[in-house]
Amino acid sequence: QVPLQESGPGLVKPSETLSLTCNVSGGSVKSDWWSWIRQPPGRELEWIGHIYYTGSTGYNPSLKSRVTLSVDTSKNQLSLKLAFVTATDTAVYYCAKMRSGSYGYYFDYWGQGSLVTVTS
Amino acid sequence: DIQMTQSPSSLSESVGNRVTITCRASQDISTSLAWYQQTPGKAPKLLLYGASRLESGVPSRFSGSASGTDFTLAISSLQSEDFATYYCQQYYTNPWTFGQGTKVEI
Repeated sequence: QVPLQESGPGLVKPSETLSLTCNVSGGSVKSDWWSWIRQPPGRELEWIGHIYYTGSTGYNPSLKSRVTLSVDTSKNQLSLKLAFVTATDTAVYYCAKMRSGSYGYYFDYWGQGSLVTVTS
Repeated sequence: DIQMTQSPSSLSESVGNRVTITCRASQDISTSLAWYQQTPGKAPKLLLYGASRLESGVPSRFSGSASGTDFTLAISSLQSEDFATYYCQQYYTNPWTFGQGTKVEI
């Protein structure tokens, strides 16, 4: 088990920056790759991006221009920033641990999720 | 991006019955497919990976198979705790993409 817990403001104003953190307990943030995934209400899951503790990142091209991922190894914590948000960014945001498959990665542990609503 | 299309979008079944859910990839993804179960208000839970490999701790009534770009999740005997939404995910090519989900209802 690798408990993950997201936290951050539940409300963000349009055009501002959404900021979330994910605390990794029961393991080290240095041990794996980590992703952020979101789920708009009633919609499917969307992969946002991933990060390794060295700072190596990969982003979904659909969000790349607005997303910044970072990792704080001293706090065993991940961070997500999404700039210039609009109502379409309203979603539950998850952090997840990645596991390597033959070609890419899937997600074996997930946080409980953090609902972020973009509203003025 | 690789598109993942699930069918049906929802289904109703009774406890004890067999259920099958299909996921079709828009291009070849080998067997780089995972299945997740999500109950309301909860995070997704990994069920299978590699199209047919059962995750540790997942009941054996869950199984997966692949035929070309078509993938199937089967639940051999539906239990009350299996009523949930199921998602497939391809991990053949970045960006990793998910199906739209299949809701299994009583």
